[in-house]
Amino acid sequence: GDSVTQMEGPVTLSEEAFLTINCTYTATGYPSLFWYVQYPGEGLQLLLKATKADDKGSNKGFEATYRKETTSFHLEKGSVQVSDSAVYFCALIPFSGGYNKLIFGAGTRLAVHP
Amino acid sequence: GAGVSQSPSNKVTEKGKDVELRCDPISGHTALYWYRQSLGQGLEFLIYFQGNSAPDKSGLPSDRFSAERTGGSVSTLTIQRTQQEDSAVYLCASRAGLADQQETQYFGPGTRLLVL
Repeated sequence: GDSVTQMEGPVTLSEEAFLTINCTYTATGYPSLFWYVQYPGEGLQLLLKATKADDKGSNKGFEATYRKETTSFHLEKGSVQVSDSAVYFCALIPFSGGYNKLIFGAGTRLAVHP
Repeated sequence: GAGVSQSPSNKVTEKGKDVELRCDPISGHTALYWYRQSLGQGLEFLIYFQGNSAPDKSGLPSDRFSAERTGGSVSTLTIQRTQQEDSAVYLCASRAGLADQQETQYFGPGTRLLVL
């Protein structure tokens, strides 16, 4: 079945460092791809999404590009802030069927220090 | 309300007891999902509702788990004879219900269940 694999955390960075969180997927056809973020004490929020190959999703300085050839959707940010400390989940919705249920990766905890 | 709400926010129960978890989706959203977030299994799908019907129950882990939705709005997830492995955060999400793979799912804050 379809699945998502993302890098294990925690990832610890200093403020203003460059961030990459790797995400790869296994799926048939062209799934939709998502990054969700869970800030401490809060619910899951959609961060960005991409629905077809070569699409780039972006929000709050974060970017991810849908790479069909490498089945990847890596999350990047050029300069992280302390407020970016959270758990990040890569997810997909299968191309067909499945009632649009989300299939999540295990999550990657990011800690940003001043 | 403006977002998805869930109650209770925390629930501690004894092994063997039944629990009910409630989800109030965003007004007008016809599609509703339950997910579970646990240390061992990560974030996993439990059940999907379209209106009051549940065409996909494939994620329910055992027959001790059931869910219903009434009036196309509020949903209740019931766990009977709780076990310690049921301890997790139970998340509810809703979306408008258009036939659109890209449609955003909005999540509630979750119910943290601890089974002693």
